[in-house]
Amino acid sequence: GAGVSQSPSNKVTEKGKDVELRCDPISGHTALYWYRQRLGQGLEFLIYFQGNSAPDKSGLPSDRFSAERTGESVSTLTIQRTQQEDSAVYLCASSLQSGSPHEQFFGPGTRLTVL
Amino acid sequence: AQSVTQLDSHVSVSEGTPVLLRCNYSSSYSPSLFWYVQHPNKGLQLLLKYTSAATLVKGINGFEAEFKKSETSFHLTKPSAHMSDAAEYFCVVSVSPFGAGGTSYGKLTFGQGTILTVHP
Repeated sequence: GAGVSQSPSNKVTEKGKDVELRCDPISGHTALYWYRQRLGQGLEFLIYFQGNSAPDKSGLPSDRFSAERTGESVSTLTIQRTQQEDSAVYLCASSLQSGSPHEQFFGPGTRLTVL
Repeated sequence: AQSVTQLDSHVSVSEGTPVLLRCNYSSSYSPSLFWYVQHPNKGLQLLLKYTSAATLVKGINGFEAEFKKSETSFHLTKPSAHMSDAAEYFCVVSVSPFGAGGTSYGKLTFGQGTILTVHP
């Protein structure tokens, strides 16, 4: 069956430009998560969706970061006025329900490079 | 608050020898603990999870981990390493939804990762 998909797989942009990253979760998964993985580091939690609401946005680094989700489907992560420190792999995960111990299934990630 | 410390950033073993990847956690509530593996250019894959049932957890590919509350540890082991085990491994903690409160519900906290190298 189809797993979590993300697009684009790679994105190179210039400093100051806006970027939009997309995540298609596994069908039927109500919970969706965004994480960021900087080079040589573990994953940092960004935001969690339950359906189309976001009960936990505590990991978003600044107001330049925002995310939306349409129902229990696609989510987009938008970074405005990108900075070089935004360069990272952005990973999306989905699970059947929110909360431990439900396994989160990860997408392949979007590698963002800000020049 | 919850946190995870992976004690080794790199571990190198010879094929056929045991593997030990160390992880210590901190959590205010009963945690769920996971090990994920990330092969080069591939997505994260769940190896195993502990959810307050048996303290010795068996996962895929011959890996297992033991939850030791007194030591706040969740070390990953495998009796005999295979070349295909070479990857980066992440220890992960998630606060139990029961009694956790607040918005940490379901949020995974990752360790910094341990790169496992397997020599022929």
